[in-house]
Amino acid sequence: NAGVTQTPKFQVLKTGQSMTLQCAQDMNHNSMYWYRQDPGMGLRLIYYSASEGTTDKGEVPNGYNVSRLNKREFSLRLESAAPSQTSVYFCASRVGEGYTFGSGTRLTVV
Amino acid sequence: GENVEQHPSTLSVQEGDSAVIKCTYSDSASNYFPWYKQELGKRPQLIIDIRSNVGEKKDQRIAVTLNKTAKHFSLHITETQPEDSAVYFCAASKGNKLVFGAGTILRVKS
Repeated sequence: NAGVTQTPKFQVLKTGQSMTLQCAQDMNHNSMYWYRQDPGMGLRLIYYSASEGTTDKGEVPNGYNVSRLNKREFSLRLESAAPSQTSVYFCASRVGEGYTFGSGTRLTVV
Repeated sequence: GENVEQHPSTLSVQEGDSAVIKCTYSDSASNYFPWYKQELGKRPQLIIDIRSNVGEKKDQRIAVTLNKTAKHFSLHITETQPEDSAVYFCAASKGNKLVFGAGTILRVKS
C-alpha cells in the first residue's frame, strides 16, 4: 500500500517547455487534488477532481491543465512553463475528511 | 471563497514552554479544521483536526480550540520538544476544498 505516489521528484525545465506531473493513489479515494507550495504562502489549490470524470479549478489554475485518467490517476500538465511556476507541487487524495499527500515534486523553471 | 489567515509567521520558544498558533477563517459555512505539520523537505502530515460541532480537542501534548462565533481556531502545543520544530499549517474546509493558512515556522530551542 503505497498511498499517494508522485513522479518525478525533481525536475528542471526551460521557459516554454511542457511537462506532465503524475500522481497515482492506491486507496480507492474518489477525490484528488493538486496544490503548489511557495515560501510564505502555504499550499494553494490548483485543480481538484471530486470524482472520476470531473475536474474543477482551484485558487490558482492559470497555466495548468489536469486530467483524471481513471480513479487512481490525476495528472497536472504545464503546457508552456514559466519561471513563476517554480514551486513544490503536492498531489493529495481524500476520503471523508482525511487528506493524504504525496511526497511532492520540486519543479524549477529557468 | 474561503480565506484563512495564520499568525504568527514565525515562533521561537524554549524547550518545555508552550506554543500557540492562531488562525481565522472567513466562510462561516466551513465545518472542518485540520492542522498539519511539515518537516523540511517532507509532505504535510495531519496532527490533529476539529469539526465545527466541537469546541476543543486534545491529543497528548497537542490541543485545538475552535470559536465558531469569532471564526477562529488555535493550536496549542505544551511541553515543547526539539522534534516539534517544523512548519505548521492550519486549514479550513467546506465540502470538497481545503484552504490553507500561510504557515508558522516553529523553532524549539534546547
